[in-house]
Amino acid sequence: EPEVTQTPSHQVTQMGQEVILRCVPISNHLYFYWYRQILGQKVEFLVSFYNNEISEKSEIFDDQFSVERPDGSNFTLKIRSTKLEDSAMYFCASSEAGTGQILSGANVLTFGAGSRLTVL
Amino acid sequence: SQQGEEDPQALSIQEGENATMNCSYKTSINNLQWYRQNSGRGLVHLILIRSNEREKHSGRLRVTLDTSKKSSSLLITASRAADTASYFCATDGSDYKLSFGAGTTVTVRA
Repeated sequence: EPEVTQTPSHQVTQMGQEVILRCVPISNHLYFYWYRQILGQKVEFLVSFYNNEISEKSEIFDDQFSVERPDGSNFTLKIRSTKLEDSAMYFCASSEAGTGQILSGANVLTFGAGSRLTVL
Repeated sequence: SQQGEEDPQALSIQEGENATMNCSYKTSINNLQWYRQNSGRGLVHLILIRSNEREKHSGRLRVTLDTSKKSSSLLITASRAADTASYFCATDGSDYKLSFGAGTTVTVRA
């Protein structure tokens, strides 16, 4: 079964430091996403990426955040200067098709296991 | 907001009982999906129902969709301890975004 893999599984950083979270989406998927979940709270959309550019982003995804697909396999989320409130679980996901497309199973998201970010 | 809102927030049932949770959303959708999250893990897709469908089954899962009321329900029949998890409905706000609700935490007691 193809998987979305994320590294690191847990990162502890000091406030103000830069953090890069890495993801390897499923190889034939074209749409990529980052979500975050603060402990015990809802899963919040951050950004989606398609055709080598950001398709949509939320209010959370401000100038401190950036995404990149540096090669054919990796998809990264960078937080330039971390704040205490950035502490959360960050989930990468990918899908074969866009979420609103009426295709059998192709618009389902496959999630990674998450990267837990702790900002001290 | 497009995101779904689940109800109840938490549910505790005995093994073998059925668990029902509801989801309401605000605007029109192409499809609605349900995902499960085990504690500390990523979300796993359970079932998708299209806007022109009213009911769908997958194993012990039954999903209904009422687009006139903008609501969906997820029924888990004959629950098992392994069904203990949080369950989220998700709606397509656009081609590039799936929006999740706050989830229903289900605890199945042995």
